[in-house]
Amino acid sequence: EPEVTQTPSHQVTQMGQEVILRCVPISNHLYFYWYRQILGQKVEFLVSFYNNEISEKSEIFDDQFSVERPDGSNFTLKIRSTKLEDSAMYFCASTVGLADYNEQFFGPGTRLTVL
Amino acid sequence: AQKVTQAQTEISVVEKEDVTLDCVYETRDTTYYLFWYKQPPSGELVFLIRRNSFDEQNEISGRYSWNFQKSTSSFNFTITASQVVDSAVYFCALSGSGGSYIPTFGRGTSLIVHP
Repeated sequence: EPEVTQTPSHQVTQMGQEVILRCVPISNHLYFYWYRQILGQKVEFLVSFYNNEISEKSEIFDDQFSVERPDGSNFTLKIRSTKLEDSAMYFCASTVGLADYNEQFFGPGTRLTVL
Repeated sequence: AQKVTQAQTEISVVEKEDVTLDCVYETRDTTYYLFWYKQPPSGELVFLIRRNSFDEQNEISGRYSWNFQKSTSSFNFTITASQVVDSAVYFCALSGSGGSYIPTFGRGTSLIVHP
């Protein structure tokens, strides 16, 4: 069964460092998403991406964040200068069409720890 | 503004009991979509169901059933004959219409099923 994969599973970084979280969506999916979940809290939408551009982003997704689809398979989330409060689980998801109408498939998540 | 309330923070049951997880939502959209996700202890997010606002028919999938009532703005989830493997955090989520997909998640209900 096709699945969304994410690497690394756990990333530890120093405050102020740049991190790149990687995702490989399901191959025939066209819409990609990033969410974050601070430990023990609710899941929060960060950004959606379609046709090589951002479709929507939340207030959390400020200038420190960027997304990219550098090739035909990877979808990355970059945090330029990490802060302590960026420590969270980051989930990538993909859908074949608009998520309102289609099942979202989530990756297993990357746990980011900022020290 | 959209809001999802899962008033039950944690529910503890014994195996084979039925359990209902409550979800109450607020939205000004006339067309919207409701979702339930499961987050087992391993941390990944698993899509369970999507329901649009025009479809108030209740749905049953094996031991899972969902009761959508627009009159009370509720989308409750019932697990019949619970099993230990049902232990997880369950999130209810809401997204609007008009081409915008910024979902709002509830804070989640932690279900613990004891053997």
